[in-house]
Amino acid sequence: DAGVIQSPRHEVTEMGQEVTLRCKPISGHNSLFWYRQTMMRGLELLIYFNNNVPIDDSGMPEDRFSAKMPNASFSTLKIQPSEPRDSAVYFCASRGQGNTGELFFGEGSRLTVL
Amino acid sequence: AQTVTQSQPEMSVQEAETVTLSCTYDTSENNYYLFWYKQPPSRQMILVIRQEAYKQQNATENRFSVNFQKAAKSFSLKISDSQLGDAAMYFCAFLYGGSQGNLIFGKGTKLSVKP
Repeated sequence: DAGVIQSPRHEVTEMGQEVTLRCKPISGHNSLFWYRQTMMRGLELLIYFNNNVPIDDSGMPEDRFSAKMPNASFSTLKIQPSEPRDSAVYFCASRGQGNTGELFFGEGSRLTVL
Repeated sequence: AQTVTQSQPEMSVQEAETVTLSCTYDTSENNYYLFWYKQPPSRQMILVIRQEAYKQQNATENRFSVNFQKAAKSFSLKISDSQLGDAAMYFCAFLYGGSQGNLIFGKGTKLSVKP
């Protein structure tokens, strides 16, 4: 299996620009998570989907952030407009329907907003 | 609210020695899952070990084992015969709301292994 695939691996942009991060979960997995990792705050859950439906988006910082999962094999996290404090590594993870609860992570997208 | 606390920001161990990383959590749920994930410099999050709260027996995976104390809400990770490749950030994580629920992480412990 290819694992969770995220793109881009690195993104450098200027303040005010729109940023779109992409994620392809493991085939057959029904849950998808977006996390943000910073030195100060650690790993924060932004949003997670079950069967393409957002279940908990309480971690989404503000209206500048939005996430979509139009189908079982693709999700996006969009930041518009971006700000320097959004600089972080953004992880996508997916999970199957088995009872292990284990999340499988992508390699992360490092975002730098200048 | 569910919380996960790792009180040791950094730890160091001599190669071949044993080290224990601490984790405590707070929850009102009775059935849940606990995990330890490893994040090496490559950034990839890797599952180390998993424990189900209803199981009294502590989980073991080769050199990695846990000490799960449900009443104390404690879930520590023991690494035996430490190797240089064990150097990484280690995150304790708590899954609540069933196996399809939400996973939250502690702030992590950075483990260094001295040759």
